[in-house]
Amino acid sequence: QVQLQESGPGLVKPSETLSLTCTVSGDSISSYYWSWIRQPPGKGLEWIGYIYYTGSTNYTPSLKSRVTISVDTSKNQFSLKLRSVTAADTAVYYCAGAIFGEEAGWFDPWGQGTLVTVSS
Amino acid sequence: SSELTQDPTVSVALGQTVRITCQGDSLRSYYASWYQQKPGQAPVLVIYGKNHRPSGIPDRFSGSSSGNTASLTITGAQAEDEADYYCNSRDSSGNNHYVFGTGTKVTVL
Repeated sequence: QVQLQESGPGLVKPSETLSLTCTVSGDSISSYYWSWIRQPPGKGLEWIGYIYYTGSTNYTPSLKSRVTISVDTSKNQFSLKLRSVTAADTAVYYCAGAIFGEEAGWFDPWGQGTLVTVSS
Repeated sequence: SSELTQDPTVSVALGQTVRITCQGDSLRSYYASWYQQKPGQAPVLVIYGKNHRPSGIPDRFSGSSSGNTASLTITGAQAEDEADYYCNSRDSSGNNHYVFGTGTKVTVL
């Protein structure tokens, strides 16, 4: 049973960098694509991007200029950095494992999520 | 704005059947996955691929697809099925970007 756990500061100041880490347990980090997904309070889900254990990444166009996702296979962790944050980046951030195929893709499992508030 | 459109709200009587739809051009060539989210909880995958349920998901949940529309059907809705439901698929850019639908709030009456 794969389990994911997000960690990182719950409060970030405007213009600074949001940094989160997701620790993977119960399976090898090479088994999935690893994604970050966020959800502003009271709103829907937004896919941020993914990384494969090889280091290959893909980001949503609207955040691509500010986002970096990295992986540390030795620690079974992957991380999110979002630069120059504003209040609009306040959200619950989820990490998730993903399977992507030619005809279908899906996100499972998910971490419990962590609320990050951008405020001075 | 999302490339996958869902009805904002749907209601269903206890024990009856409800269909939740998701529309988008990318669905003509890529199956949707479906997620159930209850308040304060992380989303849970309920349907993936052509019509597959992860272990532990009741068989009253099923998926289908036709043209640019994917559907999630709950047959015999239970009180515990009241939740937000999101579809997800690749977008139509051809760059392996993924997008979630706008979400549907299902109320069980």
